[in-house]
Amino acid sequence: AQSVTQPDIHITVSEGASLELRCNYSYGATPYLFWYVQSPGQGLQLLLKYFSGDTLVQGIKGFEAEFKRSQSSFNLRKPSVHWSDAAEYFCAGGGTGTASKLTFGTGTRLQVTL
Amino acid sequence: GAVVSQHPSRVICKSGTSVKIECRSLDFQATTMFWYRQFPKQSLMLMATSNEGSKATYEQGVEKDKFLINHASLTLSTLTVTSAHPEDSSFYICSASVPNEQFFGPGTRLTVL
Repeated sequence: AQSVTQPDIHITVSEGASLELRCNYSYGATPYLFWYVQSPGQGLQLLLKYFSGDTLVQGIKGFEAEFKRSQSSFNLRKPSVHWSDAAEYFCAGGGTGTASKLTFGTGTRLQVTL
Repeated sequence: GAVVSQHPSRVICKSGTSVKIECRSLDFQATTMFWYRQFPKQSLMLMATSNEGSKATYEQGVEKDKFLINHASLTLSTLTVTSAHPEDSSFYICSASVPNEQFFGPGTRLTVL
């Protein structure tokens, strides 16, 4: 079965420190992979996505993610975290096309200390 | 571009009543929309896939007679929670799909008393 796993439920980092959020996927073929961010009581905002090609993907707000096929991973990184980055982060995988369902990981809650 | 709205953003209703939630793609057309449910501090669970002009496809365990979905146009899908009960209280999020990407609405907080 297709699945997306986020091993870390909660991460706390200091403002200005680097960040890496882990995501592992289990699919028959390489899925389309996404990272979303959700602030409390809000919908989801797309940070970045990977379909094919360059395995290092740049996103909004200074985030990037690297697709590693050998590790079935798509980890999200940011070199310097800002207090406003505190939120819930979801990794998701899906197939191609408009009717493709997304499978979400359980999410990682990021807390930023000043 | 690619904005999805939901209305209402928050609704409180009495047990036994029905509640309709609208999901609109404001600046694009979407033949497919998705409805998700999110419990506090949990991930999004897909409830159903809504296709314009045809019946929705429900995920296993989702009661289609309780969660009525109508996708009347390329920009509007509605979710009606019928005979709502407190256990239906949740955060409902829709998304509108274009090739290879989904755009999410801001969500609707439903509280059933």
